[in-house]
Amino acid sequence: EAQVTQNPRYLITVTGKKLTVTCSQNMNHEYMSWYRQDPGLGLRQIYYSMNVEVTDKGDVPEGYKVSRKEKRNFPLILESPSPNQTSLYFCASSLAITGGIAFFGQGTRLTVV
Amino acid sequence: GIQVEQSPPDLILQEGANSTLRCNFSDSVNNLQWFHQNPWGQLINLFYIPSGTKQNGRLSATTVATERYSLLYISSSQTTDSGVYFCAVGVVGGGADGLTFGKGTHLIIQP
Repeated sequence: EAQVTQNPRYLITVTGKKLTVTCSQNMNHEYMSWYRQDPGLGLRQIYYSMNVEVTDKGDVPEGYKVSRKEKRNFPLILESPSPNQTSLYFCASSLAITGGIAFFGQGTRLTVV
Repeated sequence: GIQVEQSPPDLILQEGANSTLRCNFSDSVNNLQWFHQNPWGQLINLFYIPSGTKQNGRLSATTVATERYSLLYISSSQTTDSGVYFCAVGVVGGGADGLTFGKGTHLIIQP
């Protein structure tokens, strides 16, 4: 079954404690991205990757890092989380940058206290 | 960047009613998708529809690319249809913009 898998689904952490949200896809997609969803602001892109070792900033990259060492994995790293990073996060993948259907993971609800 | 506007922002209907949700976008797109976000927060793919018409059970969608809008039709609504419906578009351009989402339509189906 084609899917994008994020872990964990829920996470409560404290300010400053480094964390990683994993994302894996099984469709051999080149393009992967991370979004955050906030009330009143909708979904906004954090980072994207067009292929292995190729990443770039989206609309709201501050406070986040990503890496793409393998095609299937695209982890999101928060080196020093802050309360304003409390949000619902989604990983997505698609065959191409545009023009192909995007599949989304189940979401990760992160709370930073 | 491209602007995506969805209407109405909120919609309350009785079970069995029909509804039409609209998505307007400000530029040419080569990707348009409709999603349903359920009460648990999951984004469910409904349609990939950069142009034309598609149907899936009680749901159907039409995109008129030349006029820059898309419509999502829900017939014979059920309480499980409640949630937020998002339209998202992708454009071909100098940068890799990914998908730009509208603010969504919050649909409540009452029994």
